[in-house]
Amino acid sequence: QKEVEQDPGPLSVPEGAIVSLNCTYSNSAFQYFMWYRQYSRKGPELLMYTYSSGNKEDGRFTAQVDKSSKYISLFIRDSQPSDSATYLCAMSYGSGNTPLVFGKGTRLSVIA
Amino acid sequence: DAGVIQSPRHEVTEMGQEVTLRCKPISGHNSLFWYRQTMMRGLELLIYFNNNVPIDDSGMPEDRFSAKMPNASFSTLKIQPSEPRDSAVYFCASSPGGLAGGWSTDTQYFGPGTRLTVL
Repeated sequence: QKEVEQDPGPLSVPEGAIVSLNCTYSNSAFQYFMWYRQYSRKGPELLMYTYSSGNKEDGRFTAQVDKSSKYISLFIRDSQPSDSATYLCAMSYGSGNTPLVFGKGTRLSVIA
Repeated sequence: DAGVIQSPRHEVTEMGQEVTLRCKPISGHNSLFWYRQTMMRGLELLIYFNNNVPIDDSGMPEDRFSAKMPNASFSTLKIQPSEPRDSAVYFCASSPGGLAGGWSTDTQYFGPGTRLTVL
């Protein structure tokens, strides 16, 4: 079993829809949780990060972490065609600067 | 700031040839990471450095891969000899934090990647 599981999609939604993306993980030692967005033929860029369990909101984006279930989610409200990208969840074991363990990514298309 | 710079952006080579990928991290960043992305395996860590010192190279697939960071502004990833299964996108990322850094500032910034094709 891979440490981080993520449904690869593809996921196609109409403009304005609420999008729900999620990942599960197996190692309870993960403490820091991130979502990266990757446009085609570009490098990943950090979208959201949270420490431990809880919610974090930034504009149209909300990240949720449930450590008891080993489950993290990213919600996108009022989705736009410019949100079309691959979304990668990532997590890390420790504080400071440690490597990230990524999910394989979910490809999202928002149709105008 | 120009961000993380990688070169070349694309590389096509024949099996058995030596390949060298280059990375210039963001100025002032203390940590540098090399990741590889494939359709089958996703994005995986190869090796990372803190303050130019290799910390963990357990992700390097085999002895054909080597990485160096001779100074704070430059790193290389070398594959010798290259094989078709090495075909992938190789990303370099840098981060401002070191071993004593606080997480809140330790975002990893990724370069645009090098797309490697080994024929």
